[in-house]
Amino acid sequence: SQKIEQNSEALNIQEGKTATLTCNYTNYSPAYLQWYRQDPGRGPVFLLLIRENEKEKRKERLKVTFDTTLKQSLFHITASQPADSATYLCALPFSGGYNKLIFGAGTRLAVHP
Amino acid sequence: EPEVTQTPSHQVTQMGQEVILRCVPISNHLYFYWYRQILGQKVEFLVSFYNNEISEKSEIFDDQFSVERPDGSNFTLKIRSTKLEDSAMYFCAGSSGTGASIYGYTFGSGTRLTVV
Repeated sequence: SQKIEQNSEALNIQEGKTATLTCNYTNYSPAYLQWYRQDPGRGPVFLLLIRENEKEKRKERLKVTFDTTLKQSLFHITASQPADSATYLCALPFSGGYNKLIFGAGTRLAVHP
Repeated sequence: EPEVTQTPSHQVTQMGQEVILRCVPISNHLYFYWYRQILGQKVEFLVSFYNNEISEKSEIFDDQFSVERPDGSNFTLKIRSTKLEDSAMYFCAGSSGTGASIYGYTFGSGTRLTVV
């Protein structure tokens, strides 16, 4: 069955450093992959989408890479700020249905001043 | 920026009672979804809705669940006979692209359902 794996341990980093979060998937060949941010008690907020034919995508301080050979996406936040502290979710379209997005469990990021 | 609005923000109900969770999607969205998140767990897909009918549903979405778009704007999730394990945060989401392949989903702030 299809699996999405994100590091369940919280990532603690110092303000100003680059945060790197990992999303691995198995038994899957997704056409695209998305990253969302979720704050406690709130709904996920869409950040970035990267397609299978794109190696890298950037948006301001965010960068996403997509390696379809390794079946892995990396999500980077450069010059991190305490306001970046949140849970970051990786999401992929379910291959058995065209209209179903499946989320990973997320990785909690804590940026310390 | 347009928002997806969900009401109520918090609902407490007795086990066995029916609940209706409401959502007002963004007007130009065509695809609608319900997700749930049990405390401390992942966001789980329940159902997708397009052109006034269900297009996908998960194993969780059994006969106790139903969705409607009664007046062309509001989008509702009904749970007919709630169980303790239905306690969760329920999120409505929408997308203007096919299967979120272009724009991503816009989520509402959620309804926290507590079944006692």
